[in-house]
Amino acid sequence: GAVVSQHPSWVICKSGTSVKIECRSLDFQATTMFWYRQFPKQSLMLMATSNEGSKATYEQGVEKDKFLINHASLTLSTLTVTSAHPEDSSFYICSARESAGVYEQYFGPGTRLTVT
Amino acid sequence: GQNIDQPTEMTATEGAIVQINCTYQTSGFNGLFWYQQHAGEAPTFLSYNVLDGLEEKGRFSSFLSRSKGYSYLLLKELQMKDSASYLCAGMDSNYQLIWGAGTKLIIKP
Repeated sequence: GAVVSQHPSWVICKSGTSVKIECRSLDFQATTMFWYRQFPKQSLMLMATSNEGSKATYEQGVEKDKFLINHASLTLSTLTVTSAHPEDSSFYICSARESAGVYEQYFGPGTRLTVT
Repeated sequence: GQNIDQPTEMTATEGAIVQINCTYQTSGFNGLFWYQQHAGEAPTFLSYNVLDGLEEKGRFSSFLSRSKGYSYLLLKELQMKDSASYLCAGMDSNYQLIWGAGTKLIIKP
């Protein structure tokens, strides 16, 4: 149980285009989903926290107009990287938490984004 | 401020035991997590401690001392597949995870 999927697993896009990444909780309802970014040989950096049906809370330094997050249902959250640039190339990982009081986060397999 | 400190890299021998230490400072405390991350993959959950003491789970054990702001992950009977990064994360009063930079563990035959 507690499986989180991400799609796509990797994507290459041209500079200036937008890319959407989906995160799904397959066998549980995720009241909270988290989006992380990880650069090579660095730790996870939390980008934003989203609760179903409400606006995402972005971490300091993360542009909300560039990284659009939609948590439309209890099983789906999407991250759209708008007007992507080469410096946005990174490993994007989502995680999901089942409900308040449950502390464990279940991670998706990650999406490797390369912007050329 | 909030901070998680752990060694950058450790090397150990197959079949041996290794202890990865982590010290933490968080605003409030709701537990300490350890995750394993292989290169190019997402982290996988290893352990969660919120009370002082040792939690044993097969070859892996995790220890917590809240008064010292200290935890360690103990790996026994090391196997080559244990080569990975081990991430320590503290959960603060807002239930946010504060992540360490990870400890890269290299296992030699």
